[in-house]
Amino acid sequence: EVRLVQSGAEVKKPGESLKISCQGFGYSFAADWIGWVRQKPGKGLEWMGIIYPDDSDTRYSPSFQGQVTISADKSISTAYLQWSSLKASDSAIYYCARDEYAMDVWGQGTTVTV
Amino acid sequence: EIVLTQSPGTLSLSPGERATVSCRASQSVTNNNLAWYQQQPGQAPRLLIFGASSRASGIPDRFSGSGSGTDFTLTITRLEPEDFAVYYCQQYDDSLIYTFGQGTKLEIK
Repeated sequence: EVRLVQSGAEVKKPGESLKISCQGFGYSFAADWIGWVRQKPGKGLEWMGIIYPDDSDTRYSPSFQGQVTISADKSISTAYLQWSSLKASDSAIYYCARDEYAMDVWGQGTTVTV
Repeated sequence: EIVLTQSPGTLSLSPGERATVSCRASQSVTNNNLAWYQQQPGQAPRLLIFGASSRASGIPDRFSGSGSGTDFTLTITRLEPEDFAVYYCQQYDDSLIYTFGQGTKLEIK
């Protein structure tokens, strides 16, 4: 079974750093893009960026460029989303998703409260 | 960056009826790289349609996608109770910069 498992909920203070993870199972993790999506409470989906784990080629939405860092470690089939200095406005659910021909497999989401 | 505008914002229908959701792009979508997702409350989104008209694995045939260029449509024939949810379109271009529409809430009338 192909699945993505995300790290647990986080409660942080403004100005703190954070790194959340997304681990893939059941497929060749390095060979498919992994994307990140933000959803603020009661709001729609916002595409943040995408990474190709095999060579760490990364693309960012202009709205999120410079605000977050996306990375991956293919040796442990894990992608990451990190902040160096959180703001209250970063409070949201963050989803990772495999992008093979669209975002076809999604993680369960990680709730971040700042 | 391509902007996607969905209409209507909310659609009120009864089970058994037909639903039509529109997604209009600010410029032509490369290779019709347009997907539709369904999101139930408290759940992650689920891929329904990719490539504008191809159903994802396990998606019932009452869901269909159509369109090209800048105008796309998601149609759900014979609404089932579990179809009442929020629907999003998403485009993915060759530079791998994606955008979502703002969402359409399909509610029971």
